[in-house]
Amino acid sequence: SQKIEQNSEALNIQEGKTATLTCNYTNYSPAYLQWYRQDPGRGPVFLLLIRENEKEKRKERLKVTFDTTLKQSLFHITASQPADSATYLCALNNAGNMLTFGGGTRLMVKP
Amino acid sequence: EAGVAQSPRYKIIEKRQSVAFWCNPISGHATLYWYQQILGQGPKLLIQFQNNGVVDDSQLPKDRFSAERLKGVDSTLKIQPAKLEDSAVYLCASSLDRRITDTQYFGPGTRLTVL
Repeated sequence: SQKIEQNSEALNIQEGKTATLTCNYTNYSPAYLQWYRQDPGRGPVFLLLIRENEKEKRKERLKVTFDTTLKQSLFHITASQPADSATYLCALNNAGNMLTFGGGTRLMVKP
Repeated sequence: EAGVAQSPRYKIIEKRQSVAFWCNPISGHATLYWYQQILGQGPKLLIQFQNNGVVDDSQLPKDRFSAERLKGVDSTLKIQPAKLEDSAVYLCASSLDRRITDTQYFGPGTRLTVL
């Protein structure tokens, strides 16, 4: 069956450092992969979408890579700030815009 | 632009009772989704509507869950009867259409506690 894994343990980093979050998947051939941010008590907010034929995508301090051979995506936040503290979710997307989410990784950025 | 609205924000019920959640999507969005998010997990898609028709409800427990979007705008999700394992946040999302590149916008969710 399809499986999407994100590190369930919280990631604690110091302000100014680069945060790297991992998303691994099995038994799946997604055409697209997305990353979302979720704050407590709120719904997820879309951040970035990367296509299977793209290796890397950037948006301001965010960078996403997508390796379909390794079946892995990495999500980087450079120059991290306490305001970046949240849960980050990866989601795989095939036809019809139906998303399958991973369990999310909580990021804590300490000042 | 107003976001996706959901109500109520919180609901506490006893098991075997029924409950309904309401969602008002972003104006002009043809596609509406209901997700279930259990504490510590990612959202799980329950049902997808395109206008007032169901596109996919393969993960909706149809023995107890039902959903409708009668006029192609607002939607309601009902659970009857509720079980303890239904305790979760129910998220509604909408997108302009069903293209993969159409961003899904999520509401704040309804937190359901079943006692």
